[in-house]
Parts: sequence; structure tokens; C-alpha cells
Amino acid sequence: SQKIEQNSEALNIQEGKTATLTCNYTNYSPAYLQWYRQDPGRGPVFLLLIRENEKEKRKERLKVTFDTTLKQSLFHITASQPADSATYLCALDRDDKIIFGKGTRLHILP
Amino acid sequence: EAGVAQSPRYKIIEKRQSVAFWCNPISGHATLYWYQQILGQGPKLLIQFQNNGVVDDSQLPKDRFSAERLKGVDSTLKIQPAKLEDSAVYLCASSYVGGPLWETQYFGPGTRLLVL
Repeated sequence: SQKIEQNSEALNIQEGKTATLTCNYTNYSPAYLQWYRQDPGRGPVFLLLIRENEKEKRKERLKVTFDTTLKQSLFHITASQPADSATYLCALDRDDKIIFGKGTRLHILP
Repeated sequence: EAGVAQSPRYKIIEKRQSVAFWCNPISGHATLYWYQQILGQGPKLLIQFQNNGVVDDSQLPKDRFSAERLKGVDSTLKIQPAKLEDSAVYLCASSYVGGPLWETQYFGPGTRLLVL
């Protein structure tokens, strides 16, 4: 069955460093992969979408890569700030449904 | 632009009771989604509406869950009777056109349900 794994439940990064979050998937080849941010007590907020024929996408301090051979997406936040602390979810399409990973809680330490 | 509205924000009920959640999507958004998010998990799609028609309800436990979207705007999700494992956050989301998964979904704040 389709499986999405996000690298760790929690990640601590020093302020100013680059945070890198991993999303691995198995048993499927999605056409799209999305990243969302979720703060406590709030719904997810869409950040970036990357298509299978795109290697990389950028938006301000955010960068997403998509390696269909490794079945992996990496999500980078450069020059991280304490305000970037949140849970980050990856999501991909399967059979016209969107499937979410469990998320990674990112803590940016001042 | 006003966001997706949901009410109530919190609900505590006993098992076997019934509960209903309400969602008002962003004006003009044709597609509405209900998700269930259990603590520590990602959201799981329960049902998707396109206007007032159901597009996908394959993951909705139909023996106890029901949803409707009258007039293609507001929607309600009902659980009857509730079980302990229904404790979760119920998220409503909407998108402008819907269908293509590259369509950005806008989520509401969710309703946190605790079943005792």
C-alpha cells in the first residue's frame, strides 16, 4: 500500500541555519507533491507544489526538490528563524486523492 | 478575503452520542473537503464535494458518518453514534475549482472533538 514517511517526528535547528526535511514515498509514482505548514490549533497552510517533471522549486527562503528515482522530496528553509517553528506536512496525489504524511515538527532554536 | 470558517472549535461528547460540525467555505469555492486528523497523524480525506455533489466519499465510515452540502455552499458533517476512536480534529478545506490536485486547498481552523 502507499506509504509516505517524513524523516523524523521532530527536528531542532539553530537559528540562521538551513533546515532540511525529508519526505519519502513507496509503491507509487505521484504526479505532484505538496508541502504544507501547520501551526498548533490551526489548519494546514499550502506552501509549495512541485510536479514530477520539475527537479526544484523555490519561494523566498523555501526550496523543494523532487527526485522521482529516489522517491524522495526534500524541503529546505534557509536562514531559518524561530517563526519558522511549526509542523511541516508533505502530501502527494494518488488515485485522484491527496495523501498526507504524518508531518515533521520543526523547532528553530534562538 | 475571509477564510474557511468552522464551528464549533471544540466539542466534548460521550460515546454513542451524536455530534455535528459546520463549515462555511471561501466564497466562490466550488469544492469542499472534510478531513479527519488524529493526533500525530496527517489529515485523512473523508469526503469531497463539487458544488453540492459528492465526488469522493470512499474513506467516509458511512455507518456512522454523514455529510451534506446543501445549495453548494455550507456543509455539515455528522457523527452518529460517536466512538472513542473518533476523537480527532475535523478539518474543512475548500478550493476554487477543485478536481486537479494542484489546486491550492484552503483549510479552516478545525473542530477538535473529544469522545469520552
